[in-house]
Amino acid sequence: QQQVKQSPQSLIVQKGGISIINCAYENTAFDYFPWYQQFPGKGPALLIAIRPDVSEKKEGRFTISFNKSAKQFSLHIMDSQPGDSATYFCAASKNFNKFYFGSGTKLNVKP
Amino acid sequence: GAGVSQTPSNKVTEKGKYVELRCDPISGHTALYWYRQSLGQGPEFLIYFQGTGAADDSGLPNDRFFAVRPEGSVSTLKIQRTERGDSAVYLCASSLSPGSNYGYTFGSGTRLTVV
Repeated sequence: QQQVKQSPQSLIVQKGGISIINCAYENTAFDYFPWYQQFPGKGPALLIAIRPDVSEKKEGRFTISFNKSAKQFSLHIMDSQPGDSATYFCAASKNFNKFYFGSGTKLNVKP
Repeated sequence: GAGVSQTPSNKVTEKGKYVELRCDPISGHTALYWYRQSLGQGPEFLIYFQGTGAADDSGLPNDRFFAVRPEGSVSTLKIQRTERGDSAVYLCASSLSPGSNYGYTFGSGTRLTVV
């Protein structure tokens, strides 16, 4: 059973647009929800993370929206740039011991 | 070092052979994790070390997989009798401690191809 479901699988956005990636989880014991960015040939890099006691977290152009009752969270990339083109993974964990990752969203930002 | 180092970056092996994959975590990071990433998928947890001991090895797929971290720093993931289905990128990550607000730092991975 997949613990974290991510959509869409791929996304094309024009430069300057907003990219939105969604994730849903099942386990209500999860207490940490990070987003990772991965470029080809590289390992995932932590982008931004949220705890379930807040509904939104913003860092620069990146915002996580969190809906605890719906067990959903999303990543918003404002003013998307070609350099943001990468694969994005949501994840969830309980006590940081291990992370359950979504299947990834390949983002292509067109100039 | 400045980041998590994994060697080799690529490994091609024949079915049935034994392989070892090495991970050098960031100096001072006590927690070390191994994940496996198949093509087009997210990383899947394999095993987590706190210091020298395996705190959680529930993700190891079967007894052909084994990992050690004898001195609490470098870790080696060992795969016996490799199968074509073992082909994937094996990622190592480390963190200051479990629950660190800095999260994981991943290495670039070892791409294992079993032919």
